[in-house]
Amino acid sequence: RKEVEQDPGPFNVPEGATVAFNCTYSNSASQSFFWYRQDCRKEPKLLMSVYSSGNEDGRFTAQLNRASQYISLLIRDSKLSDSATYLCVVNGLKSWGQNFVFGPGTRLSVLP
Amino acid sequence: NAGVTQTPKFQVLKTGQSMTLQCAQDMNHNSMYWYRQDPGMGLRLIYYSASEGTTDKGEVPNGYNVSRLNKREFSLRLESAAPSQTSVYFCASKLDRGQRNSPLHFGNGTRLTVT
Repeated sequence: RKEVEQDPGPFNVPEGATVAFNCTYSNSASQSFFWYRQDCRKEPKLLMSVYSSGNEDGRFTAQLNRASQYISLLIRDSKLSDSATYLCVVNGLKSWGQNFVFGPGTRLSVLP
Repeated sequence: NAGVTQTPKFQVLKTGQSMTLQCAQDMNHNSMYWYRQDPGMGLRLIYYSASEGTTDKGEVPNGYNVSRLNKREFSLRLESAAPSQTSVYFCASKLDRGQRNSPLHFGNGTRLTVT
């Protein structure tokens, strides 16, 4: 099982739609969780950290379920500018030390 | 405030050539990282430096060396480039200091092609 898994995508949705992405992680000791977005041929940029109680930033809501080792990202009222790849990031303990582990990403295309 | 700055943006090398990718951050961050990103593989950690004067191997360190020159700068060197090192390389930094949710900040990336 991969350490961080995400919906394979791609997701193609019309403007204004609500879309949800899912992410599961295997290391129950993980303490830090993030969602990043990556535009084509650009660097990953922090979208939001994910807190245990869940958190919201405008149209974006992140949830964490530690018992199920599951993270979600909900985007409401999708905009064309939301088109990007969304990366789930978890800190983990690897053989070479503790560090961030990136999921493979889920690509979103918001269509006019 | 420039954040994380990487140079060069693009590079083409012949097999066996060497080069150094430069990275500097002006956010007074303690930790710095080098990742590579390949299609279908996601981001993989090459080397990292938890603080000035220390460096550690990540998931895919073979064929690379690093230097943490000072708190601001962290360079990645390819001594003898191979086609398998064709990739997009990202430098990143993080504040740490016990902040659990301290995120990574990335540079713009270097697109390297080895022929």
